Amino acid sequence: GQNIDQPTEMTATEGAIVQINCTYQTSGFNGLFWYQQHAGEAPTFLSYNVLDGLEEKGRFSSFLSRSKGYSYLLLKELQMKDSASYLCAVRDNYGQNFVFGPGTRLSVLP
Amino acid sequence: SQTIHQWPATLVQPVGSPLSLECTVEGTSNPNLYWYRQAAGRGLQLLFYSVGIGQISSEVPQNLSASRPQDRQFILSSKKLLLSDSGFYLCAWELQRQGIYTFGSGTRLTVV
Repeated sequence: GQNIDQPTEMTATEGAIVQINCTYQTSGFNGLFWYQQHAGEAPTFLSYNVLDGLEEKGRFSSFLSRSKGYSYLLLKELQMKDSASYLCAVRDNYGQNFVFGPGTRLSVLP
Repeated sequence: SQTIHQWPATLVQPVGSPLSLECTVEGTSNPNLYWYRQAAGRGLQLLFYSVGIGQISSEVPQNLSASRPQDRQFILSSKKLLLSDSGFYLCAWELQRQGIYTFGSGTRLTVV
């Protein structure tokens, strides 16, 4: 089967660093993706990892460990506009579709 | 550049009425197209995907159907809506399995 777990909610302070974890169990693996979704809007692509290690993209970084079925999204220098849901998604071995996690709702407080 | 259009933005429909949501993509050819649904506070559920004209794969059996009459057009339909069909419907496209989805702006459907 396919299962992706993320914390439901997280709260952090403006200017701080927050790490959003994602664990997965899927039928094969062909990439892990992170999306940001503001309330009432469509998700937008943030980053993806295919190989183990850290991918840095400005204030956002994403890490993958395939052997552990684990990823995290690291957000630095948090801003109020970072308040959103963050969706972890895994592409399965058949490559035809993603399995999306339930999302983590991040609230950034002043 | 590529763009994706989805309409309408909001829809309120009575139980038992039909549904038609349309999605079109511009600026690309032969995209993979997807319909997702997101219930309130829930994750994204894949409903249908299409790799070409007339090719539809269904992920979840239900009273919805999808069609792809043209390369860049994807339609989600229902003959009779149920209360449980309420949700946020999102169309997405992907170019040649690169793994990056671009989502439309979504349709918020409320069945009453």
